[in-house]
Amino acid sequence: DAGVIQSPRHEVTEMGQEVTLRCKPISGHDYLFWYRQTMMRGLELLIYFNNNVPIDDSGMPEDRFSAKMPNASFSTLKIQPSEPRDSAVYFCASSSSLGAAGTIVSLHFGNGTRLTVT
Amino acid sequence: DAKTTQPPSMDCAEGRAANLPCNHSTISGNEYVYWYRQIHSQGPQYIIHGLKNNETNEMASLIITEDRKSSTLILPHATLRDTAVYYCIVRDYFGNEKLTFGTGTRLTIIP
Repeated sequence: DAGVIQSPRHEVTEMGQEVTLRCKPISGHDYLFWYRQTMMRGLELLIYFNNNVPIDDSGMPEDRFSAKMPNASFSTLKIQPSEPRDSAVYFCASSSSLGAAGTIVSLHFGNGTRLTVT
Repeated sequence: DAKTTQPPSMDCAEGRAANLPCNHSTISGNEYVYWYRQIHSQGPQYIIHGLKNNETNEMASLIITEDRKSSTLILPHATLRDTAVYYCIVRDYFGNEKLTFGTGTRLTIIP
């Protein structure tokens, strides 16, 4: 089990540029979550998918952020245009609905992408 | 989901049991208690969860009070690798799949 794989590990970009973060969930998992972590705000849920369909995107800060899951093994989080306040560590997590009544039990997190926007 | 309160930081000597408290006085009947930890520069890691009975796995034990208003995560023999931020989260098991992290407890294991 390779775990959740995120790329790149580090990204440095200039304000105004487009940034794309990538995530490969654990094979067989049907839930995928995107979180953002900063010192000021801690860990925040941005969006999550079930069976490739976005279920709750209420945490997405604004229209500059978009997330897609074209298939069960790949998801992207795009920021266009990027701003310095987007600097954070972005985590992807996946899970399977193997709990009682089809609920999830535990999230498996990747090691994150550290984004710096100058 | 109910809110949780944890001490911001704790120290524990290596080899001793680390007892991390969590208050969740507004917990409701369908809500489970989850514990995750985050080691520096890594993503959070699931540890354990429970409803009302005490639970134990290879990583830790979870003790939930009878009124379910508080719980304690126990690491029986803490090692330096247990230094991390520990998050106590309360979530409705059958509700929205969101997991909301608070500020957690920064546990430092001292050699």
